[in-house]
Amino acid sequence: GNSVTQMEGPVTLSEEAFLTINCTYTATGYPSLFWYVQYPGEGLQLLLKATKADDKGSNKGFEATYRKETTSFHLEKGSVQVSDSAVYFCALSATGGGNKLTFGTGTQLKVEL
Amino acid sequence: GAGVSQSPSNKVTEKGKDVELRCDPISGHTALYWYRQSLGQGLEFLIYFQGNSAPDKSGLPSDRFSAERTGGSVSTLTIQRTQQEDSAVYLCASSLDGGQPYGYTFGSGTRLTVV
Repeated sequence: GNSVTQMEGPVTLSEEAFLTINCTYTATGYPSLFWYVQYPGEGLQLLLKATKADDKGSNKGFEATYRKETTSFHLEKGSVQVSDSAVYFCALSATGGGNKLTFGTGTQLKVEL
Repeated sequence: GAGVSQSPSNKVTEKGKDVELRCDPISGHTALYWYRQSLGQGLEFLIYFQGNSAPDKSGLPSDRFSAERTGGSVSTLTIQRTQQEDSAVYLCASSLDGGQPYGYTFGSGTRLTVV
């Protein structure tokens, strides 16, 4: 079946540090890949997505590249801010799955001054 | 509406009681999803509605769980004879078209606590 594996958190960084949150997946066919973010006290929001191999999704300084050869979609940001503190979820939508998303368990990011 | 609206935002119920959770999706969105988010775990798929098609119920954890979507819009998730393990945040999401990878718009969720 389809699955998404994320690095466990919490990840604690100082402001302006480089961020990487690893995500790998298992799926049949050619899934679409997503990153969602959940800020404290808020609902999940779509952060970025990529729908085919080698696509790069980007938003708010975050980016992730769809790597079919390594079945990965790692989230990166060059310089994090305190306001980026949130829980980040990697997800996939499998081909023919009716857009049903399979989520990872989430990675909590804490950014400190 | 402008976003996905869920009610109530919080619900405390006694074990064994039935509860109903409501979701009002974005107008025009044909696909509607229910997920469950338990403490320390990821999001667990429950059920998916797409237009007038039969819903995908493959994620419902037991026959105590059911959902309906009336008129292609509002959806109600019903949990009968609630158990403590049902305590979680229940999230509803909608998307423009279930056949395309647009991504979802989530509601803020209903936090259910079974005591």
